[in-house]
Amino acid sequence: NAGVTQTPKFQVLKTGQSMTLQCAQDMNHNSMYWYRQDPGMGLRLIYYSASEGTTDKGEVPNGYNVSRLNKREFSLRLESAAPSQTSVYFCASSDGTAYGYTFGSGTRLTVV
Amino acid sequence: KNEVEQSPQNLTAQEGEFITINCSYSVGISALHWLQQHPGGGIVSLFMLSSGKKKHGRLIATINIQEKHSSLHITASHPRDSAVYICAVISRGGADGLTFGKGTHLIIQP
Repeated sequence: NAGVTQTPKFQVLKTGQSMTLQCAQDMNHNSMYWYRQDPGMGLRLIYYSASEGTTDKGEVPNGYNVSRLNKREFSLRLESAAPSQTSVYFCASSDGTAYGYTFGSGTRLTVV
Repeated sequence: KNEVEQSPQNLTAQEGEFITINCSYSVGISALHWLQQHPGGGIVSLFMLSSGKKKHGRLIATINIQEKHSSLHITASHPRDSAVYICAVISRGGADGLTFGKGTHLIIQP
């Protein structure tokens, strides 16, 4: 199925553990994004990649790293998870214009 | 940084009512999205607007670029319309992501 695929869908981590959230799109989009969604805060941009080989910080990048592995894949890594990183994470892709925005189904992460 | 404000934050209405959700933003944009999110669910793009008006079924979205304002209307509302509706804007340039409003939580009672 065409679209954006995120894995895993759910994850529980202990404080200090590390993990990588995976995202892949099959729409040949240049731009990919990671957002987090918190109650009362709305969605906020963590990192984005405007094209293969480039990444840039968004509004809330602290505590995260990203890798644009190829045009299809954009991963988000938490090196040392903290309870403040408990959130729902969404990956998205676009064709780099204002059009064609597609979201993944989300990853619900709990850090205890 | 663009500031995106939505109103109301919460809205409860009876089935059949006409619903309006408003969105205003502070800085010029290239486009605006209206998104829908059901509880525990993913995010679906309903409309992308850069000018004027779009209609899809019972949903209508309008944008006034000069006033930096957009509205989402639902006609003949139904309980299945219950969801969070989110306004998001793309700044001129486009590649650096969306800026989101905090969403409007809509409940349609039978």
